[in-house]
Amino acid sequence: AQKVTQAQTEISVVEKEDVTLDCVYETRDTTYYLFWYKQPPSGELVFLIRRNSFDEQNEISGRYSWNFQKSTSSFNFTITASQVVDSAVYFCALSEAQAAGNKLTFGGGTRVLVKP
Amino acid sequence: NAGVTQTPKFRVLKTGQSMTLLCAQDMNHEYMYWYRQDPGMGLRLIHYSVGEGTTAKGEVPDGYNVSRLKKQNFLLGLESAAPSQTSVYFCASSWREAQYFGPGTRLTVT
Repeated sequence: AQKVTQAQTEISVVEKEDVTLDCVYETRDTTYYLFWYKQPPSGELVFLIRRNSFDEQNEISGRYSWNFQKSTSSFNFTITASQVVDSAVYFCALSEAQAAGNKLTFGGGTRVLVKP
Repeated sequence: NAGVTQTPKFRVLKTGQSMTLLCAQDMNHEYMYWYRQDPGMGLRLIHYSVGEGTTAKGEVPDGYNVSRLKKQNFLLGLESAAPSQTSVYFCASSWREAQYFGPGTRLTVT
């Protein structure tokens, strides 16, 4: 069965520090998709990135970057030069191509607190 | 283009009461989902639908029913609410494996 583990439950940093969120997944499928979502204090879930299992290129979007390593089943997320607005809970999620309905399995989330 | 909307935003029920949560999407997505989020936990899938007229069970379906009579709407029903169903409920719709979420409904069962 698929599983997503986010071992860090909470990370506290001072503004402008970099922060890396770990995500480790388990799946038997050879084709799968990995996601990161952000949940700010207001409560909504914001889609950040989708990555398929055949694309191991790292991706950068502004201050956000993602490192996908199939060899270690990890899909880590780094926020560079953190800002107070980055304070949120971040969820990693996995979808297997063979699973009906594009169902997502979520990790437990990592709460990031950026202090000014 | 409102995306995914949920009605109501907040609700308080007494044990044994029933209610229906409405999810609507205007993105013409085929797939829709209902999740619950409990403190300290990620989201858990309750039910989902891969198209109009279809529904399927997710990870935690007990105590809930769903219907997808129209492509744009996905209803979640609680027939006899229990305190264990106190949670935040999120609806989502999907395009190209990515799911887009509604703002959530905070339900308290006393």
